[in-house]
Amino acid sequence: GENVEQHPSTLSVQEGDSAVIKCTYSDSASNYFPWYKQELGKRPQLIIDIRSNVGEKKDQRIAVTLNKTAKHFSLHITETQPEDSAVYFCAASLPSGGSNYKLTFGKGTLLTVNP
Amino acid sequence: KAGVTQTPRYLIKTRGQQVTLSCSPISGHRSVSWYQQTPGQGLQFLFEYFSETQRNKGNFPGRFSGRQFSNSRSEMNVSTLELGDSALYLCASSLTPEVTEAFFGQGTRLTVV
Repeated sequence: GENVEQHPSTLSVQEGDSAVIKCTYSDSASNYFPWYKQELGKRPQLIIDIRSNVGEKKDQRIAVTLNKTAKHFSLHITETQPEDSAVYFCAASLPSGGSNYKLTFGKGTLLTVNP
Repeated sequence: KAGVTQTPRYLIKTRGQQVTLSCSPISGHRSVSWYQQTPGQGLQFLFEYFSETQRNKGNFPGRFSGRQFSNSRSEMNVSTLELGDSALYLCASSLTPEVTEAFFGQGTRLTVV
């Protein structure tokens, strides 16, 4: 079956430092890679996404990079703030017969930003 | 525009019972997916519905089922509940399955005792 691996499972940084979370996927046909942030007790929220025809995308302090050859993508958060503390999930949209794509998620990274 | 709405927010059931959870997608969204979230396994795909048809199904036993209505609202049902079914059940809606930006509801926390 399809698989998305996410590392690290926990990450602790000092406020102002950068944080990087990496994911790998198994199916080269994947074409959509979103990242979700889930704060404690809340729903996962889409924070940024990238499609396979793009190598990098930025939105203020958040960026995502995609390496299709190596089948991995990464989330970069710069100038981290305590409110960035949350669980981050990567996902890949993998084909499931014809055009029926579905999202497969990594197991999440607990990011803690220490003030 | 209202977000994805799931009801109820919390449920406590006993083993062997069955439960039905409801999800109302964002207005205009026609695709609804369901996920089970547990601390050890993360977010696991249950199934996806579009135009009242199940288009995808994850690796869950037949006790887990769902349906979608003509107004795109979806329900999932779990029969013969087991302790291991305790989890947060999340639904996500998107415009269509091909427009893959998915937005989650707040989830239903199911506890099986």
